[in-house]
Amino acid sequence: QVQLVQSGAEVKEPGASVKVSCKASGYTFTTYTIHWVRQAPGQSLEWMGWIDAGNGHTKYSQKFQGRITITMDTSASTAYMDLSCLTSEDTAIYYCAREVPTIEFENWGQGTLVTVSS
Amino acid sequence: DIQMTQSPSTLSASVGDRVTITCRASQSISSWLAWYQQKPGKAPKLLIYKASSLESGVPSRFSGSESGTEFTLTISSLQPDDFATYYCQQYSTYPRTFGQGTKVEIK
Repeated sequence: QVQLVQSGAEVKEPGASVKVSCKASGYTFTTYTIHWVRQAPGQSLEWMGWIDAGNGHTKYSQKFQGRITITMDTSASTAYMDLSCLTSEDTAIYYCAREVPTIEFENWGQGTLVTVSS
Repeated sequence: DIQMTQSPSTLSASVGDRVTITCRASQSISSWLAWYQQKPGKAPKLLIYKASSLESGVPSRFSGSESGTEFTLTISSLQPDDFATYYCQQYSTYPRTFGQGTKVEIK
């Protein structure tokens, strides 16, 4: 069965960067696109960007442009989301999700809590 | 960006009730709308895609419909496992955008 397993919780100081991983299993990694979505405490969901695991192409939300980098390691079936210049407003749970064409986010990782605090 | 407006934000209902949640898009998204269920401390779970298609394994008491830019999620007979927060999401264009959520509480 399809599984997306994310890295563990992180605590970062303001101004630092964080890198969250998302390891895929149960399907051919290079066949699908992986998205990143975050959820601040008590808030709705916010789309951040995606990577096409077939060719490495990326697309980012304009809100995070310049601060976000999404990469992948096909040999490890893993996608990564790097967010820099963190502030307290970046405190959130970060999710990866697999996009199935015309169906959207059919599978999600368990989430990674990133806390930004001095 | 396309704005997704959900109503109500909170809904109190009893087991067995018929429940309806509405989501309105700020512009045409065709049928590119998904509904998710989220329970506390868990990732969202896909229920409905393409406005009215039921995801595999999701109980048939869940259904989706559309009329222009207004979309509806209906639970025909609310079950104890259905108390959760529900989100709509458009995937017509980027950036993908979500509604603010509807929390279904026990009455």
